[in-house]
Amino acid sequence: EPEVTQTPSHQVTQMGQEVILRCVPISNHLYFYWYRQILGQKVEFLVSFYNNEISEKSEIFDDQFSVERPDGSNFTLKIRSTKLEDSAMYFCASGLTGTQYFGPGTRLLVL
Amino acid sequence: DQQVKQNSPSLSVQEGRISILNCDYTNSMFDYFLWYKKYPAEGPTFLISISSIKDKNEDGRFTVFLNKSAKHLSLHIVPSQPGDSAVYFCAASVQGAQKLVFGQGTRLTINP
Repeated sequence: EPEVTQTPSHQVTQMGQEVILRCVPISNHLYFYWYRQILGQKVEFLVSFYNNEISEKSEIFDDQFSVERPDGSNFTLKIRSTKLEDSAMYFCASGLTGTQYFGPGTRLLVL
Repeated sequence: DQQVKQNSPSLSVQEGRISILNCDYTNSMFDYFLWYKKYPAEGPTFLISISSIKDKNEDGRFTVFLNKSAKHLSLHIVPSQPGDSAVYFCAASVQGAQKLVFGQGTRLTINP
């Protein structure tokens, strides 16, 4: 069964550094998403991407964040200058219609 | 942002019995609802969904009920099995808006 994959599974970085989180969505899906979950909190929407452009973004998704689909398979989330409060699990998801399928997540720790 | 609420942080059920997980929402624009199951250190796994034009959807041991007037949905698992022990999230979306709004989750423990 096809699934969403994410790399790396864990990332430790210093505050102020740039990180890139990578995702390979399910191949025939058209919609792509990033969510995050801070420890002990809800899963929060960050951004959705369709037809090579951002279709919706949350207040969290400020100028420090960007997304890209550099080729036909990868979908990336870049955080330009990480802050301590960016420490969280980051989940990529993809879908065709209303149902979204999630990857295993990347645990980001900012020191 | 409390648009989707799961008021029970935890639930413990005997193996073989029915598990009922509840979820309330406040945004009347929501028209698609989903349940996800999550194990520690894994991503949410899709279980079952329901559109607002229906009031029930069934898939094997899982049934989701939607009460639009009460803005309430529930997930029934019967019979409950030890492998069902996980955190269950309900989520909702407005068609076209795409983003999912999640509840806080309910930790379900199935006791042998």
